[in-house]
Amino acid sequence: EPEVTQTPSHQVTQMGQEVILRCVPISNHLYFYWYRQILGQKVEFLVSFYNNEISEKSEIFDDQFSVERPDGSNFTLKIRSTKLEDSAMYFCASRAAAYEQYFGPGTRLTVT
Amino acid sequence: SQELEQSPQSLIVQEGKNLTINCTSSKTLYGLYWYKQKYGEGLIFLMMLQKGGEEKSHEKITAKLDEKKQQSSLHITASQPSHAGIYLCGAETPGGTYKYIFGTGTRLKVLA
Repeated sequence: EPEVTQTPSHQVTQMGQEVILRCVPISNHLYFYWYRQILGQKVEFLVSFYNNEISEKSEIFDDQFSVERPDGSNFTLKIRSTKLEDSAMYFCASRAAAYEQYFGPGTRLTVT
Repeated sequence: SQELEQSPQSLIVQEGKNLTINCTSSKTLYGLYWYKQKYGEGLIFLMMLQKGGEEKSHEKITAKLDEKKQQSSLHITASQPSHAGIYLCGAETPGGTYKYIFGTGTRLKVLA
């Protein structure tokens, strides 16, 4: 069964460093998303991506964040200068036209 | 903005007992999704409800959406230790990008 994959599973970085979180969505899906979950809190929407551009972003998704689909298969989330409060689980999700979203296993980002 | 509240926040049941988790929306739901999350892992899709009064079952789990489409319940019959985890309800928000907002989650523990 096709699934969304994410790498790395765990990333430790120092404050101020850039990180890139990678996702491979399900191949025939059209919509792509990033969510984050701070430990013990709700899963929060960050950004949605469709037709090679951002279709919606939340207040959390400020200028420090960017997304890219560089080669038609990967979908990346970049955080330019990480802060302590960026420590969280980051989930990638994808969906076909009118169905449920499929979530990846997540990347745990720890900023020290 | 739309909010989802889940109750209870946590639940401990003896194996074999039935249980119900509720999800209440502050606005009419366009699509309601139930996911299960094991601690520190990804979200596994359980069920999707879209029509008022709709009910779906899979194995020992039944989900319902009320006629007004503002409340959903997830019922587990004869619970097993494998049902343990965090149950999240997610709602699709209108506007075209189909992003989700999530409830606060219900942490379920099943005692053998």
